[in-house]
Amino acid sequence: GAGVSQTPSNKVTEKGKYVELRCDPISGHTALYWYRQSLGQGPEFLIYFQGTGAADDSGLPNDRFFAVRPEGSVSTLKIQRTERGDSAVYLCASSLILVGGTEAFFGQGTRLTVV
Amino acid sequence: AQSVTQLDSQVPVFEEAPVELRCNYSSSVSVYLFWYVQYPNQGLQLLLKYLSGSTLVKGINGFEAEFNKSQTSFHLRKPSVHISDTAEYFCAVSDFEGAQKLVFGQGTRLTINP
Repeated sequence: GAGVSQTPSNKVTEKGKYVELRCDPISGHTALYWYRQSLGQGPEFLIYFQGTGAADDSGLPNDRFFAVRPEGSVSTLKIQRTERGDSAVYLCASSLILVGGTEAFFGQGTRLTVV
Repeated sequence: AQSVTQLDSQVPVFEEAPVELRCNYSSSVSVYLFWYVQYPNQGLQLLLKYLSGSTLVKGINGFEAEFNKSQTSFHLRKPSVHISDTAEYFCAVSDFEGAQKLVFGQGTRLTINP
């Protein structure tokens, strides 16, 4: 079956613009996570969803970042007024259930470059 | 809160040699432990995980890791590496209470030389 799909794979945007990053999780997975990976660093947690609701958004760096999952499947990470410091690879992952220790399956990421 | 330290940012080894990638963690609560691998231009893939039970965990591609609670370590080992093992390796922890909210280390780049 298909894995976690993220689109676009690459996005270049100008400083100050708005961007949306899309994540299609594995079918049937109820939990969905967003991470951000800066160059030379490990992924950092941003937010996770159980179904449609954001169960924990404590990793979002500021109010320019927002994520939705309106139907409990596809999720969109939205970044307003982008800054050069937002440049990173944004990773999405999904898991069957929201239980510690459950394997999370990662997409290949969206590389965002803000110029 | 948890934290993870991967002690080596880069590890070069020769093909067929053994390798150990070191990982130490800090946490005030019990944790689950993971190793993920990221091959060039691919997403993160789970190598192995420790949830409970035997402290020696075997994973895919011949890798294994040993959980040492007293030393708060979870080092990854392979007795004989192959060129195809060249990749970035990430150690991660999550606590028992939450979901798969992973805290990652900075990664170790494993380079296999012929």
